[in-house]
Amino acid sequence: QKEVEQNSGPLSVPEGAIASLNCTYSDRGSQSFFWYRQYSGKSPELIMSIYSNGDKEDGRFTAQLNKASQYVSLLIRDSQPSDSATYLCAVKVPPNRDDKIIFGKGTRLHILP
Amino acid sequence: ETGVTQTPRHLVMGMTNKKSLKCEQHLGHNAMYWYKQSAKKPLELMFVYSLEERVENNSVPSRFSPECPNSSHLFLHLHTLQPEDSALYLCASSQDGSGIYNEQFFGPGTRLTVL
Repeated sequence: QKEVEQNSGPLSVPEGAIASLNCTYSDRGSQSFFWYRQYSGKSPELIMSIYSNGDKEDGRFTAQLNKASQYVSLLIRDSQPSDSATYLCAVKVPPNRDDKIIFGKGTRLHILP
Repeated sequence: ETGVTQTPRHLVMGMTNKKSLKCEQHLGHNAMYWYKQSAKKPLELMFVYSLEERVENNSVPSRFSPECPNSSHLFLHLHTLQPEDSALYLCASSQDGSGIYNEQFFGPGTRLTVL
């Protein structure tokens, strides 16, 4: 069973602090990793993708990937109330032919004003 | 129109009705997907089409029938649904169906209620 695990939260973070969201996955052969943000009643919006070990930064967002530990995380610096949402971790599992992505259940993030 | 669009945005139907959901992508992508999102469950992949060919059918009941007439359009035909099929149905597209750099972009979804 290929799985993607996330803490469901809610994770409460003061405004201006760093929010850290974590995700683990079971399939060691996975190659592509994505973070989506989903506001209540809306569809998921892609905010980060990462394919190799290390950090990838985009504005206030940093994705971190550690394939040896099968762990991917998302850091949000200078958290804003508008960052309050559910964050979905998604992993593309092999074989690549069918382009199958497994989603975690998501972590609810609440930024405290 | 830009991105991925879906119609209708809301749908209420009885168990004996037949209806269809429509998805259109304006991104020039070659792969399209149907997902189901229920409360407190992860996104469930239902169908994948790559270059208009179905490449994944995730053991979905036959009361859901997909159709992909071209790479820009995707339909989900619904008949004799059950109340537990009430959910948010999301369409997504990606550049291709086999590469590892496959970011999926979602439409706004159709909120379906089955009475």
